[in-house]
Amino acid sequence: QVQLLESGPGLVKPSETLSLMCTVSGASISSYYWSWFRQPPGKGLEWIGYIYSSGSTNYNPSLNSRVTMSVDTSKNQFSLKLSSVTAADTAVYYCARDFSTWGQGTLVTVSS
Amino acid sequence: EIVLTQSPGTLSLSPGERATLSCRASQSLTSIYLGWYQQKPGQAPRLLIYATSSRATGIPDRFSGSGSGTDFTLTINRLEPEDFAVYYCQQYGNSPWTFGQGTKVEIK
Repeated sequence: QVQLLESGPGLVKPSETLSLMCTVSGASISSYYWSWFRQPPGKGLEWIGYIYSSGSTNYNPSLNSRVTMSVDTSKNQFSLKLSSVTAADTAVYYCARDFSTWGQGTLVTVSS
Repeated sequence: EIVLTQSPGTLSLSPGERATLSCRASQSLTSIYLGWYQQKPGQAPRLLIYATSSRATGIPDRFSGSGSGTDFTLTINRLEPEDFAVYYCQQYGNSPWTFGQGTKVEIK
């Protein structure tokens, strides 16, 4: 059974970089598309982008200049970095494989 | 960017009734790239339907999807207590992938 688990700081200061990791268990990361989504408190879902195991990426243009995704096949992990964060980036961040398997989500608050 | 508009915003129904949720796209979609999710408070979204009408693994057959072009529908027959939640449609045929704003199905 495939499981995904997000990890990273729950609090990030404005203008700093948000960094999250998603650890995959029960399946190899060396295939499939691996995505990040987010959901501000009380609001809807937003797609951030995806990365393929080869390293090719596709980011949401609304975040494109601030987003970097990478994959570490040796650790079966993939990561998200979002730079120059503001309060508007406060959200629950989810990692997912395709659309059928999601992590539990992790709340990241941007505040000084 | 394709905008998805869901209606109604809230649907108040009783267990056993049928729920009909609408998702309208700002431009025509390829049907294989439209999905539906269920989300309960504090939980990650759960994929219900992909490719407009295919049920994801383990999804009961009371959930069904239909539609084409710009108009898509999620139908839930005979609502069970565990079906009261927020439902989102999503298109993944054009980048950026986008979601509707959600429909809340609440107990009447």
